[in-house]
Amino acid sequence: DIVMTQTPLSLSVTPGQPASISCKSSQSLLHSDGKTYLYWYLQKPGQSPQLLIYEVSSRFSGVPDRFSGSGSGTDFTLKISRVEAEDVGVYYCMQGIHLPVGFGPGTKVDIK
Amino acid sequence: QVQLVQSGAEVKKPGSSVKVSCKASGGTFSSYAISWVRQAPGQGLEWMGRIIPILGIANYAQKFQGRVTITADKSTSTAYMELSSLRSEDTAVYYCATAEIGELLASGWFDPWGQGTLVTVSS
Repeated sequence: DIVMTQTPLSLSVTPGQPASISCKSSQSLLHSDGKTYLYWYLQKPGQSPQLLIYEVSSRFSGVPDRFSGSGSGTDFTLKISRVEAEDVGVYYCMQGIHLPVGFGPGTKVDIK
Repeated sequence: QVQLVQSGAEVKKPGSSVKVSCKASGGTFSSYAISWVRQAPGQGLEWMGRIIPILGIANYAQKFQGRVTITADKSTSTAYMELSSLRSEDTAVYYCATAEIGELLASGWFDPWGQGTLVTVSS
């Protein structure tokens, strides 16, 4: 099984400041079809997870442009250029290249 | 736009089974995969398995093999997840989510998600 790790596991950010979360996979997520099956989700308190980024760097519909994703192979990063109060919650990376689908342990982001 | 509506909360005894439903409204999911993900209290997300209705294929995480059965009724656009031999550690919120199917059955992103169903296992 592919193991997903995230750092840090928690992050306290001043509004308006940037934040960065790292995600690493135990195997490359680059598929032979040319796609990289790495996604980012945000789970706000009391809500279902919501998709932020798909295939490493594509923002999903309605996601603010302060969110960006980058990386390749086994190393990926989610960046928030200027954190807002509504960004609090737990961020998860997920791989879909091989079953079982795997999630990172989550990074809890709160506001200072 | 497809929305997924799940059945309501359940309280079950240890050793019993639970069956959670996930109905697609505003569309169908025949050409997608429907995954089930659970989240124990205060914990992260855990993939349990999926079904691809158009292919009639179900895949399960090794951890749940033999205890979970995922089915789908294409006529009603409803997916089901049945978990048997329940124990207290199965207390969790169970989510369904749709995903496109990638090459060689890789999984696309999960969207939309259902609202979640709390299953409590307690004697």
